[in-house]
Amino acid sequence: AQSVTQLGSHVSVSEGALVLLRCNYSSSVPPYLFWYVQYPNQGLQLLLKYTSAATLVKGINGFEAEFKKSETSFHLTKPSAHMSDAAEYFCAVSEMDSSYKLIFGSGTRLLVRP
Amino acid sequence: NAGVTQTPKFQVLKTGQSMTLQCAQDMNHEYMSWYRQDPGMGLRLIHYSVGAGITDQGEVPNGYNVSRSTTEDFPLRLLSAAPSQTSVYFCASRRGDGRAESSYNEQFFGPGTRLTVL
Repeated sequence: AQSVTQLGSHVSVSEGALVLLRCNYSSSVPPYLFWYVQYPNQGLQLLLKYTSAATLVKGINGFEAEFKKSETSFHLTKPSAHMSDAAEYFCAVSEMDSSYKLIFGSGTRLLVRP
Repeated sequence: NAGVTQTPKFQVLKTGQSMTLQCAQDMNHEYMSWYRQDPGMGLRLIHYSVGAGITDQGEVPNGYNVSRSTTEDFPLRLLSAAPSQTSVYFCASRRGDGRAESSYNEQFFGPGTRLTVL
């Protein structure tokens, strides 16, 4: 079974600083990978997804992620943090079959300091 | 489109009570699922359905029941509520045509139901 590990349950950055949220997956074949964001008291919203078309994926709100097969990683970055980026971020991997199941990491809460 | 809707938004139950969480989507998605979210554990899959009349268990199915009589609706039933079922529940839907390649399709989430079992 596939799994996802997110290092760091909380990450704190200053406004304007680089954001780096880490995600590693376990899969014997290149998977479909996703980053979702959850703002307080809301559902999850898709930030970006990797579907093997390109290793560097650009998403909404200035976020991007790079798929590195050799490191089994899919880290999320943003060059300059904004206060509105404060939220919880989830990395997820999709089962590569017709069950369409999504396996989520435990999440990373991003805090942005003024 | 309303997307994925869930009712109620909040619910308090006593141990042993039963209830149904409602979920509906108007995007004609074949795939629907239920997750529970607990602090530090991410989202865990409870049950899912790949089409009307077809359901299957996810990672944490015990104590929950589902049915899928229509494409639009996917209710989640708590048979006898327990304090361990205190959680936030999310319903989601996704387009799927039965091919494994459809696994890349975006999953759309509802706003959630916050359930407390006393």
